[in-house]
Formats: sequence, C-alpha cells, structure tokens
Amino acid sequence: SAVISQKPSRDICQRGTSLTIQCQVDSQVTMMFWYRQQPGQSLTLIATANQGSEATYESGFVIDKFPISRPNLTFSTLTVSNMSPEDSSIYLCSVNVDLDQETQYFGPGTRLLVL
Amino acid sequence: AQKVTQAQTEISVVEKEDVTLDCVYETRDTTYYLFWYKQPPSGELVFLIRRNSFDEQNEISGRYSWNFQKSTSSFNFTITASQVVDSAVYFCALTPNRDDKIIFGKGTRLHILP
Repeated sequence: SAVISQKPSRDICQRGTSLTIQCQVDSQVTMMFWYRQQPGQSLTLIATANQGSEATYESGFVIDKFPISRPNLTFSTLTVSNMSPEDSSIYLCSVNVDLDQETQYFGPGTRLLVL
Repeated sequence: AQKVTQAQTEISVVEKEDVTLDCVYETRDTTYYLFWYKQPPSGELVFLIRRNSFDEQNEISGRYSWNFQKSTSSFNFTITASQVVDSAVYFCALTPNRDDKIIFGKGTRLHILP
C-alpha cells in the first residue's frame, strides 16, 4: 500500500477565492488521481495526473476551474478556483502503487466548505 | 458501459447481527477488477478488498466475507457479528484495467446500533 497525506484536512473559504490542496505520497508513483465527493454522494473522478504530462480531465471538469500540478513522482496539487458554494465537497487524491497497479489507495481527504 | 449498483441506500442493524451489502455491476470487459472501500465518518476511504474477474473464490477476512458471482454480476459483502465500529459508508467499485479510473457505486450507509 502507500501512505498518503493531504493538506489542508479541512477549510472554510469565501466564494470567489481559490484553494490549493496538496497530496503527498511516501513512495514514487506513476499515476495520481483527484476525486470529488459532494455531500452525501459517491466519488467522481476529476482528473488523472501523471508526472511530466498534463493532467487528463473527465467530462464536466476543466483545467481553468481545477488546475493540477504534478511536479514529481510523490506530490501533486489540485486548485479549486473561483469557488462557489457548489464546490463544497470532500476532495480526495488517490494513487496506484506501482507494484499493485490494480488498486487505488486514497488519502484522508480535504473537507471544503464554501460560504 | 461500466456501472456499479448498490441498491441499498441505508441499512440499520443491531450490534452482533450479520449484515450483507449488495453490489451488482455491469461491464463488457472480460478482464476487470472489483473493490470494496469503507468510508468511516472521518471521511478517509479505506481499501478493503480487490477481486479480479478470473478469481471467483470467495474470501473471508475475520468478520468480513465477500461473495463474487460472475453469473449474476454480483460482488456482495457480508459482515458477521457486526460491531458499532463497522458503522460507515461502504462503496463497491469497478475498474476495467489497471491504471484506470474506478467507477464507484453510490454507497450503502451502514448503521450498527448498540
């Protein structure tokens, strides 16, 4: 498995502002994923982030709203831009560990509340 | 199309009862992977089990057991002698390939009453 940490663990933000969420893994991984979980809902994939290439976004998510960085094999950031109350969610990063590529392991999540 | 259905939105049982969480999936792929994750109130998603499509053996891990039946496209999860700490949302999920996105079911919220 992998040990994944996220910062911040939670935040309350004003509409119109932006928040950058960090995801750190204790080992080098090729694939990192960002998910959103709206209140009471299931998880929805935002994008897949590979090191050295641009992130691949799912339908309904765009780079201007959710820019992603992947500067190395252990770290990624997701920015939620120009936030509105509809962005209030848990944001989770996940990774495929290279020796166990079928399984995604998840970070503890970032709880975001936008007022 | 890939789809995971968890028909039970919410279940409540009294502690020490057995409970089964249902999961039905749809895929056209012959190779795929099925998962169960647990999400306690703290919000983290905890990996419980992975099964590939070629391994229909049932699995038991302590009080947890999983029944995978390709004939009915089901991957059900049973908790025996439930405990209050089992209270969580449980997600069944599917991925057709490694390094690919996971399709999650809507989750089943399980309440274990003392």
